Amino acid sequence: DAGVIQSPRHEVTEMGQEVTLRCKPISGHDYLFWYRQTMMRGLELLIYFNNNVPIDDSGMPEDRFSAKMPNASFSTLKIQPSEPRDSAVYFCASNAAGQTFTSGNTIYFGEGSWLTVV
Amino acid sequence: AQKVTQAQTEISVVEKEDVTLDCVYETRDTTYYLFWYKQPPSGELVFLIRRNSFDEQNEISGRYSWNFQKSTSSFNFTITASQVVDSAVYFCALSDANYGGSQGNLIFGKGTKLSVKP
Repeated sequence: DAGVIQSPRHEVTEMGQEVTLRCKPISGHDYLFWYRQTMMRGLELLIYFNNNVPIDDSGMPEDRFSAKMPNASFSTLKIQPSEPRDSAVYFCASNAAGQTFTSGNTIYFGEGSWLTVV
Repeated sequence: AQKVTQAQTEISVVEKEDVTLDCVYETRDTTYYLFWYKQPPSGELVFLIRRNSFDEQNEISGRYSWNFQKSTSSFNFTITASQVVDSAVYFCALSDANYGGSQGNLIFGKGTKLSVKP
């Protein structure tokens, strides 16, 4: 089975440019999450969707960041305009809601998109 | 507020030594999940284990074992007879069960970098 697929794996861009990161969750998963990893702040949740609807975007750092999920198999995280401090690894993750508290489901992460803004 | 503390920033051991990675968490929820993830040098996040707050049984998986103690709010991870391939950053994470059944809103610790030398 295919896991969570992210693209691009690596991107180097100049300050001020628009950056779009893409994610394909695991088929059948109804939750999708975007995380960011930096040396200073570690791993932090940016936004998550349930059934394509954004539920909590309180982790999105500022208006330059936006995320969409037009359908169950695709999501984008966009940064416009990008700044050097946006350099980080961006992870997409997905899971399916557990039927009961004790059943639960594993949260699968993609391999990450390594963004460098110069 | 939820919080995960991994007090050990870096640990260095020699191959075949046993090593324990500490994780202490804070939450006011009575129902929650605890996780361990491994991040090898290649950068992906690899799921290792999930525990729900009702299940305090210790778990062993090969050379890996986990000790969950609610009384001390700890979820420690032990690697027995460590190997060079165990070298990675290990993250402990916490999530509540209030997101419609998903556990994907993870609060991560800062991680412990484990170096296993031959």
